[in-house]
Amino acid sequence: NAGVMQNPRHLVRRRGQEARLRCSPMKGHSHVYWYRQLPEEGLKFMVYLQKENIIDESGMPKERFSAEFPKEGPSILRIQQVVRGDSAAYFCASSPPSGSEKLFFGSGTQLSVL
Amino acid sequence: GNSVTQMEGPVTLSEEAFLTINCTYTATGYPSLFWYVQYPGEGLQLLLKATKADDKGSNKGFEATYRKETTSFHLEKGSVQVSDSAVYFCALGPLYSSASKIIFGSGTRLSIRP
Repeated sequence: NAGVMQNPRHLVRRRGQEARLRCSPMKGHSHVYWYRQLPEEGLKFMVYLQKENIIDESGMPKERFSAEFPKEGPSILRIQQVVRGDSAAYFCASSPPSGSEKLFFGSGTQLSVL
Repeated sequence: GNSVTQMEGPVTLSEEAFLTINCTYTATGYPSLFWYVQYPGEGLQLLLKATKADDKGSNKGFEATYRKETTSFHLEKGSVQVSDSAVYFCALGPLYSSASKIIFGSGTRLSIRP
């Protein structure tokens, strides 16, 4: 039973480029969460999605960041026109509808902006 | 608002030493408290939890007690092993609700010397 799969593990972008991070939830999970971890800080919630719906995006920056979870395929976190401050580890987690007790995390994508 | 403060790392111990990682919290209401562990190259995984005051969570030799009077949830282990080397995150949030409400601490890196 595969866990939460994130790719790529490492992503290097130059300032101004676009970054696309992918997350495939655990089998049977329909809820996906994205978190960002800046150096020396805890995980900060960004967005919560169900299939084809954004449920809570209160942690997403207002500009350049977007997320989707289509009916088919992985969830995508998209960062347009990246800046150095976007360098961080981005974690995806999935859960069944019952919520936080059954939260499973992927290994993360380390984004480095040059 | 809710917040979690945990002991800064890194913490380096010898094998079989006693471990304490401090965690204190500020919260309204009665949240559940969690410890998550992140082994090298992997995503976070739930280590233990406690859902009400005086509850003790335990797993893999680790324990933590939900102390309402001191607003603390310190992680302890009597005899650590090299395989316990990881980053440990204290967290709080509602148990049966969206994981978007979980607040994570900044993490404490633990290294165990053989």
